[in-house]
Amino acid sequence: DGGITQSPKYLFRKEGQNVTLSCEQNLNHDAMYWYRQDPGQGLRLIYYSQIVNDFQKGDIAEGYSVSREKKESFPLTVTSAQKNPTAFYLCASRGYTEAFFGQGTRLTVV
Amino acid sequence: AQSVTQLGSHVSVSEGALVLLRCNYSSSVPPYLFWYVQYPNQGLQLLLKYTTGATLVKGINGFEAEFKKSETSFHLTKPSAHMSDAAEYFCAVSESGGSNYKLTFGKGTLLTVNP
Repeated sequence: DGGITQSPKYLFRKEGQNVTLSCEQNLNHDAMYWYRQDPGQGLRLIYYSQIVNDFQKGDIAEGYSVSREKKESFPLTVTSAQKNPTAFYLCASRGYTEAFFGQGTRLTVV
Repeated sequence: AQSVTQLGSHVSVSEGALVLLRCNYSSSVPPYLFWYVQYPNQGLQLLLKYTTGATLVKGINGFEAEFKKSETSFHLTKPSAHMSDAAEYFCAVSESGGSNYKLTFGKGTLLTVNP
């Protein structure tokens, strides 16, 4: 089936550790996005990539990093510099019109 | 810069009643507009979209929305609410199609359906 796969669905991290969230798509889309979702705040853009080997900061990029070495993959690393990383993270890809979303990763700092 | 305002963070209706979720946008060019639905702990699913052409668009699950340029609005409606419609709904805007344009989302409206 075509779509976007995020893994893992649930992730626990100790303070001070970096963690990487996986996002893979087989829709042949050029653009990929990472959003953070907190209750009552909607979706906030962390990073986006319009093409392989290129990406731009979104509205809340501090404490996060990404790479786009392959068209299919856009992993997000939550670094120890992110002060409040507990949230629901959504990955999306876009062709010409709408974006398609993965099922999300819920990250909890313990 | 484009933006989206969803009026009402929480809307409650009775089963069988009209559903109306409000969305206003700002965009410097003719926009592409979207409504998405999200069930708990899941990703977003596209309900409907407006790109060009007919201003009244129909989506899945009996929802529809009308693009009104003069009012910069794209309100979502459904004539008769069902219990399964309880979810969070997001309106989004893009200045055009293609990978060069970002999608900007509203803060969402949580729809509760009472029996």
